[in-house]
Amino acid sequence: KAGVTQTPRYLIKTRGQQVTLSCSPISGHRSVSWYQQTPGQGLQFLFEYFSETQRNKGNFPGRFSGRQFSNSRSEMNVSTLELGDSALYLCASSLGAGVADTQYFGPGTRLTVL
Amino acid sequence: AQRVTQPEKLLSVFKGAPVELKCNYSYSGSPELFWYVQYSRQRLQLLLRHISRESIKGFTADLNKGETSFHLKKPFAQEEDSAMYYCAFQSGGSYIPTFGRGTSLIVHP
Repeated sequence: KAGVTQTPRYLIKTRGQQVTLSCSPISGHRSVSWYQQTPGQGLQFLFEYFSETQRNKGNFPGRFSGRQFSNSRSEMNVSTLELGDSALYLCASSLGAGVADTQYFGPGTRLTVL
Repeated sequence: AQRVTQPEKLLSVFKGAPVELKCNYSYSGSPELFWYVQYSRQRLQLLLRHISRESIKGFTADLNKGETSFHLKKPFAQEEDSAMYYCAFQSGGSYIPTFGRGTSLIVHP
């Protein structure tokens, strides 16, 4: 099976701009989660989508939003970018059927905000 | 609140030495616990989970409900074990895990 893919891999934006990141899950996986990874905070959960519905949400401001399409592909959008949004954004997919599902991670999108 | 704690940000050992990466959780029920690993320039991946009771790459982890811990152990560390290790916890009512802040393991030759 092809793994989780994320596009673009690298992105440079300036403060105030907005950005959209894309994630394609493993075929058959219906759950897609997004994480922000930084050296200081580690992995922080943003939100999870299952069957096109946001099922779980982390503690991030409303500038961070996402959606999932009928083919399970997901996008994440960050509006009004701030310097502190610079991070590696990881997407993970899983079957989403219940507990103990293995999360399969993508390579991440490295976002730099100048 | 449910939480997972990895008290060490960095653990540095020499090749051949035993290694133990600590993980503690706060939850009164029966949790699902995982260790994920991220090698340099590779994606984050599952190392092992407590439900499988398996040993992967020489690593084992035992769930201690009394101490609410799930420490990762290896008797003889290898240089290729150098990586970032994340403990993850999932409760019965959750579909996604909560990750600890991670421990960077460096194994010196």
